Amino acid sequence: GAGVSQTPSNKVTEKGKYVELRCDPISGHTALYWYRQSLGQGPEFLIYFQGTGAADDSGLPNDRFFAVRPEGSVSTLKIQRTERGDSAVYLCASSAQGPPGRQYFGPGTRLTVT
Amino acid sequence: SQQGEEDPQALSIQEGENATMNCSYKTSINNLQWYRQNSGRGLVHLILIRSNEREKHSGRLRVTLDTSKKSSSLLITASRAADTASYFCATDAEAGGTSYGKLTFGQGTILTVHP
Repeated sequence: GAGVSQTPSNKVTEKGKYVELRCDPISGHTALYWYRQSLGQGPEFLIYFQGTGAADDSGLPNDRFFAVRPEGSVSTLKIQRTERGDSAVYLCASSAQGPPGRQYFGPGTRLTVT
Repeated sequence: SQQGEEDPQALSIQEGENATMNCSYKTSINNLQWYRQNSGRGLVHLILIRSNEREKHSGRLRVTLDTSKKSSSLLITASRAADTASYFCATDAEAGGTSYGKLTFGQGTILTVHP
């Protein structure tokens, strides 16, 4: 069966530009998570959706970061006025029912801000 | 911020040997999970151990959890070159019996298994 998919797999953008990263969770999974992983580090939590609503956005680093999940399936992570420090791999995960439980991760989007 | 501390940071062994990785954490947890990551991309779930469990097995994997010491270990027996990867522990914290939902990862152990 299809797993979590993320597009694009790689994104190179210039400092100051706007980017959107997409996540398609496993069909039927109600919970969706975004994480960010910098080189040599473990993933860090950004935001968690249960259905269409953000249940916990405490990991978003600042107001340049925003995420939506309008129909409770696909999610988009949006980053405004990108900075070089935003360069990282952005990982999406989904789970069948929400916490606690196993999260299924996508392959990630590698974002490079030049 | 990352809750977990993993050690060692890097481990190099020969095929057939066992590999042990350790993880410590700071808060109360609902469960602890171990993941594998190849080439800095997607994470593969290996095993989940709940806070009321002490040991769990899956194939060549053995995980222990000591909630009094806030620590866990992952043992890979009879390692293979294909086990070469980064391994992360992740905690699912809770308060008042309710899971927060978000996973907090350690910095990982880089395992290299030489053929």
